Amino acid sequence: GAGVSQSPSNKVTEKGKDVELRCDPISGHTALYWYRQSLGQGLEFLIYFQGNSAPDKSGLPSDRFSAERTGGSVSTLTIQRTQQEDSAVYLCASSLYVTEKETQYFGPGTRLLVL
Amino acid sequence: SQQGEEDPQALSIQEGENATMNCSYKTSINNLQWYRQNSGRGLVHLILIRSNEREKHSGRLRVTLDTSKKSSSLLITASRAADTASYFCATGGGATNKLIFGTGTLLAVQP
Repeated sequence: GAGVSQSPSNKVTEKGKDVELRCDPISGHTALYWYRQSLGQGLEFLIYFQGNSAPDKSGLPSDRFSAERTGGSVSTLTIQRTQQEDSAVYLCASSLYVTEKETQYFGPGTRLLVL
Repeated sequence: SQQGEEDPQALSIQEGENATMNCSYKTSINNLQWYRQNSGRGLVHLILIRSNEREKHSGRLRVTLDTSKKSSSLLITASRAADTASYFCATGGGATNKLIFGTGTLLAVQP
C-alpha cells in the first residue's frame, strides 16, 4: 500500500514569506506527527494530531508555526514570516493507533531553505 | 536537551563485519525504535522494542533494551555496503507516543 507522502519535496523561499507543507498519512492512520531535522537541533518533535485535534503542540518553536488536519487525513504545516533558522527538513509520520507497540512511519520529508 | 545520546557518532567497518551502535535516553518510555536514514531524507523503520522486552531480532538486526540503565543497542551482523547510512534510536513515550530521537550514528561499510 501507499506510504506517507509529503509535498513539496523541496521548497526555497525568501525570508518573510509564508510557506505551507503538506502531509498525506497512510490511509486509516489515526495519529499524525510532524518533526523537524536541522543541523543544529537534530530531529525534534513539533506537533501531534489524534484525528483532527492536536492535543500536543509543545514542540512548535514559535507562534509563526501552525498546523491543521482535516478529515482525519491530510495535514498542513504552515510557517508564517519565515526566518533563516526555519531552514530544515520537515518530516511527517503516522501510526495506526497510539500504543506501546505502534510503529511510526515516516514520509520522505520536505527540505525547506529560507534565503 | 531532551535528546538521547548515541555512540559512536561515526563508525567505519569492512563488509562482513558486525556493527554495534549504542543509545542512551533520559525519560521513561513506552517503546524504543531504531530508524535508518539515507542521504538526510526519510526515515526507514527498522525495529521496535517495547519497554517490557529485553531483546528482539529481525533478520540481521538484534536490539537489546536495558530500562534500568536507560540504554539500548543495535547490532547489525554481516554488514553490507548497502547498510551505509545514519542510524537513529527514538524513544516513544507518554500518552502521545511522540518520539525523542538520539543524535545518530553514521555507519560506513567499506566494500
